[in-house]
Amino acid sequence: AQSVTQPDIHITVSEGASLELRCNYSYGATPYLFWYVQSPGQGLQLLLKYFSGDTLVQGIKGFEAEFKRSQSSFNLRKPSVHWSDAAEYFCAVGTYNNNDMRFGAGTRLTVKP
Amino acid sequence: EPEVTQTPSHQVTQMGQEVILRCVPISNHLYFYWYRQILGQKVEFLVSFYNNEISEKSEIFDDQFSVERPDGSNFTLKIRSTKLEDSAMYFCASSYRDIGYEQYFGPGTRLTVT
Repeated sequence: AQSVTQPDIHITVSEGASLELRCNYSYGATPYLFWYVQSPGQGLQLLLKYFSGDTLVQGIKGFEAEFKRSQSSFNLRKPSVHWSDAAEYFCAVGTYNNNDMRFGAGTRLTVKP
Repeated sequence: EPEVTQTPSHQVTQMGQEVILRCVPISNHLYFYWYRQILGQKVEFLVSFYNNEISEKSEIFDDQFSVERPDGSNFTLKIRSTKLEDSAMYFCASSYRDIGYEQYFGPGTRLTVT
């Protein structure tokens, strides 16, 4: 079965600084990759997804992610973080032939003023 | 914008009791899911449901769990005899099609088993 690793449990960045959240997946074929954000007390909101094609995908709220097959990675980036970006971020992987999505453990982002 | 709704937002129950968590998926969606998140842990897939039957389920989804779409709008998760370790946030999600399409998540139901 597919799996996801998010190596960073907690990251703190200053407002206006750049951000990169790491995600590594394990799956034998081409995965479907997702990044979700969860604000406190809220559900999960999709930021972006990758299925095929251009390996650099743009999402909402100024986020982007790059799929690197050679590194089995799908890191999330944002050039300038805003205080409202403070939340929990989850990377998830799905596959073509099953319907379950596996989530990473999440990375909690704190934004310093 | 259409959204997935879940009721109740918080449910407290005693160990051994049955609970039903309710979800109203987005109206034209065909695939329905339940996930759970134990406090401080990752979101875990429980089950997916399509065409009135379970299409996938995880190892967590044992005989104590069941899902149902009793009418055209609701999607329910029943836990037959709750255990302390069932305490978690339960998220419902729906999508228009299968894995290739975005899953829209509800706000969750926090289940506390005492």
